[in-house]
Amino acid sequence: EIVLTQSPGTLSLSPGERAALSCRASQSFSSDYLAWYQQKPGQAPRLLIYGASSRATGIPDRFSGSGSGTDFTLTISRLEPEDFAVYYCQQYGTSPYSFGQGTKLEIK
Amino acid sequence: EVQLVESGGGLVQPGGSLRLSCAASGFTFSYFEMNWVRQAPGKGLEWISYTGTSGSLIYYADSVKGRFTISRDNAKNSLYLQMNTLRVEDTAVYYCARKNWYSNDVWGQGTLVTVSS
Repeated sequence: EIVLTQSPGTLSLSPGERAALSCRASQSFSSDYLAWYQQKPGQAPRLLIYGASSRATGIPDRFSGSGSGTDFTLTISRLEPEDFAVYYCQQYGTSPYSFGQGTKLEIK
Repeated sequence: EVQLVESGGGLVQPGGSLRLSCAASGFTFSYFEMNWVRQAPGKGLEWISYTGTSGSLIYYADSVKGRFTISRDNAKNSLYLQMNTLRVEDTAVYYCARKNWYSNDVWGQGTLVTVSS
């Protein structure tokens, strides 16, 4: 079973700043199998990034993903007010298709 | 419009059963693998089950294996989750999600299941 550990648990930043969220896996897998989601209170998750670095349809280019092996990063280049939310990574390399525990991005 | 709509949630006693449904529209349902994902109150996302396009390849999380059954009816554009022997810890919002490439690109709005006496 692949365990995904996200850090930090909470990230406090101001609009306009850059955010870097980490997702570390307990074992290596292809970057094709790593996705990132954004979830706001009371809403379903929204796909941001698939294949570790490809933006989903309609996702602004301030969102980018990178990484390989066991270390993956979601970067938001310049935070907008609507970006403050919880972010999850998920792996599809091996069942169970686990999620990380989430990173809460809050306004400083 | 591509859409998934869950239904069937509600209040059930521990040990009881419930069947969730997910109605798909706006895309060719039979072409896509599907998943159920849940979220306990105030907690993170938990993947619980997957089905391939024909329903013959199925996976479960250990937390629900032997109690939950995923199925699909491609003729009805519907995904199901039969939940038996429910526990208090199964209380959550249950989402169905479409798998596209190796990600969930379309999600329903969720249906709340509350297990309580």
